[in-house]
Amino acid sequence: DQQVKQNSPSLSVQEGRISILNCDYTNSMFDYFLWYKKYPAEGPTFLISISSIKDKNEDGRFTVFLNKSAKHLSLHIVPSQPGDSAVYFCAASGNYGQNFVFGPGTRLSVLP
Amino acid sequence: GAGVSQSPRYKVAKRGQDVALRCDPISGHVSLFWYQQALGQGPEFLTYFQNEAQLDKSGLPSDRFFAERPEGSVSTLKIQRTQQEDSAVYLCASSLFNTEAFFGQGTRLTVV
Repeated sequence: DQQVKQNSPSLSVQEGRISILNCDYTNSMFDYFLWYKKYPAEGPTFLISISSIKDKNEDGRFTVFLNKSAKHLSLHIVPSQPGDSAVYFCAASGNYGQNFVFGPGTRLSVLP
Repeated sequence: GAGVSQSPRYKVAKRGQDVALRCDPISGHVSLFWYQQALGQGPEFLTYFQNEAQLDKSGLPSDRFFAERPEGSVSTLKIQRTQQEDSAVYLCASSLFNTEAFFGQGTRLTVV
């Protein structure tokens, strides 16, 4: 039973447009959420995080939104760039940084 | 080094062979995680250390898997009597404490 779901295996977006990646979770004990980006043959790279006491966190082109009542978070990338093409993983923790549970990932392709 | 370092990058083992995978975390990082990533899936949690203490090993798939971090820095994941289903990328990550985790490049294990 997947506790963290990313229902879109892939997403294609035009360069300069907004990319929206979605993530749903089932465990209401999760209180810390993160997004990671992964290029082939590399480990995941941390992008941005949000704690359950917030509903939005912004860092440059990346914004994460958290809707606790819907158990849903999303990552917005504006504007999207070809270098953003990668697999994006959503992760969640119920112990504020211990035992991260990862989703299956969404492959983002930004087309020039 | 500046990041998490894992060795070897690639390992081919014959079925039944024992393997040892090494992780050098970022200096000063208290928390250390091991994850297993199968092709096309997100990382799956294996075990978590806080300094030298193994606080959670609930993700280890069988008693053939063993991890240690004796001095609270370098960690080793050992797999005894490897089987084909053990083939995966093994990722190590470290974090300061209850914050975002930084991943190494992983060790790709292939059991033949």
